[in-house]
Amino acid sequence: KAGVTQTPRYLIKTRGQQVTLSCSPISGHRSVSWYQQTPGQGLQFLFEYFSETQRNKGNFPGRFSGRQFSNSRSEMNVSTLELGDSALYLCASRQEYRGSETQYFGPGTRLLVL
Amino acid sequence: QKEVEQDPGPLSVPEGAIVSLNCTYSNSAFQYFMWYRQYSRKGPELLMYTYSSGNKEDGRFTAQVDKSSKYISLFIRDSQPSDSATYLCAMSGNQGAQKLVFGQGTRLTINP
Repeated sequence: KAGVTQTPRYLIKTRGQQVTLSCSPISGHRSVSWYQQTPGQGLQFLFEYFSETQRNKGNFPGRFSGRQFSNSRSEMNVSTLELGDSALYLCASRQEYRGSETQYFGPGTRLLVL
Repeated sequence: QKEVEQDPGPLSVPEGAIVSLNCTYSNSAFQYFMWYRQYSRKGPELLMYTYSSGNKEDGRFTAQVDKSSKYISLFIRDSQPSDSATYLCAMSGNQGAQKLVFGQGTRLTINP
């Protein structure tokens, strides 16, 4: 079974631009979560989507948004990029049934904001 | 104070040594505890998953959870150079709405 895939793997943008990152979960997984990883703050939860609905949200500004499609694929968008948005953005997917609490991560998209 | 505290290391040990990695947490609502391994420039890979208190063993890896002390551990026996990576503890509190809270990660190097 294929793992979580994320595109693009690397991205360079300038301040003020916006960016869209894509995530395809493991087949059959309906929950998709997004995390930001930086050396200073570590891994921080951005948001979670299930059945095209945002179900949980972390403490990030409104410039960070996401959506999920009917095939469970998800995108996240960051508008008005700031230098501090440079990070590894990770997507994780999970099956939604009792007893399955584990999330499986993709390789991430490394974003550099100049 | 962070919800999950993990010594960032770095930790360097000789091949074959027993490695002990630890996290403490403050949120008593946490019920699900995980250890992830992350190699450089890769996404985290799930190593161990434990629900509530107790021990779990998988090959050379043992995870322990002590909810009364709010303390979790990962032991690696017969450590190998291929175990060199960053190890992240993660935990969550409720089923259904999955928000993992991570420790800072411990960078581990196993020296041949």
